[in-house]
Amino acid sequence: QKEVEQNSGPLSVPEGAIASLNCTYSDRGSQSFFWYRQYSGKSPELIMSIYSNGDKEDGRFTAQLNKASQYVSLLIRDSQPSDSATYLCAVNADTGGFKTIFGAGTRLFVKA
Amino acid sequence: AAGVIQSPRHLIKEKRETATLKCYPIPRHDTVYWYQQGPGQDPQFLISFYEKMQSDKGSIPDRFSAQQFSDYHSELNMSSLELGDSALYFCASSLGQTYYEQYFGPGTRLTVT
Repeated sequence: QKEVEQNSGPLSVPEGAIASLNCTYSDRGSQSFFWYRQYSGKSPELIMSIYSNGDKEDGRFTAQLNKASQYVSLLIRDSQPSDSATYLCAVNADTGGFKTIFGAGTRLFVKA
Repeated sequence: AAGVIQSPRHLIKEKRETATLKCYPIPRHDTVYWYQQGPGQDPQFLISFYEKMQSDKGSIPDRFSAQQFSDYHSELNMSSLELGDSALYFCASSLGQTYYEQYFGPGTRLTVT
């Protein structure tokens, strides 16, 4: 079992809809959780970070964390074609160091 | 705002050659991470440095070594290159041990022929 699991997709949503991306992790002691967006051939871009249970909103993006269920999600409201990318969930392992584990990513397509 | 700088952006090497990738973190960032990303794969953590000391090690082959210098830039040295080493190599930086938010450089595309 991978340490960070994501549905590889592709997830296809119409323009203006809400896209929901999900991620589960295995290390119960993890403390830091991130969502990165990566366009093909480009580097990952940090779009959200979340550290405590609940919701965190930033513009059209909302991250949700449930440590008891070891689950983190990303909602994208009013999806735009420019949101079409691979979304990587990343979890900082509870090693006391700086090891971040990435999920395999979910490909999102937003249809105009 | 200044971003992470990586050089070179593209590199072509032959099997058994060596390669050196350089990374210049965002100013004031003291932590550097190296990742390898193959086609269609997620970034694989290789190694990280905090305040010029190695802090964590991932799936870095023994043929690879890295270090962080006094100005916080980092170099990834790769020897006895193999065809399977062809990948995108990303460097990321963060500010200390606060929340581990990493900002990625544009990457170096290494092709081994």
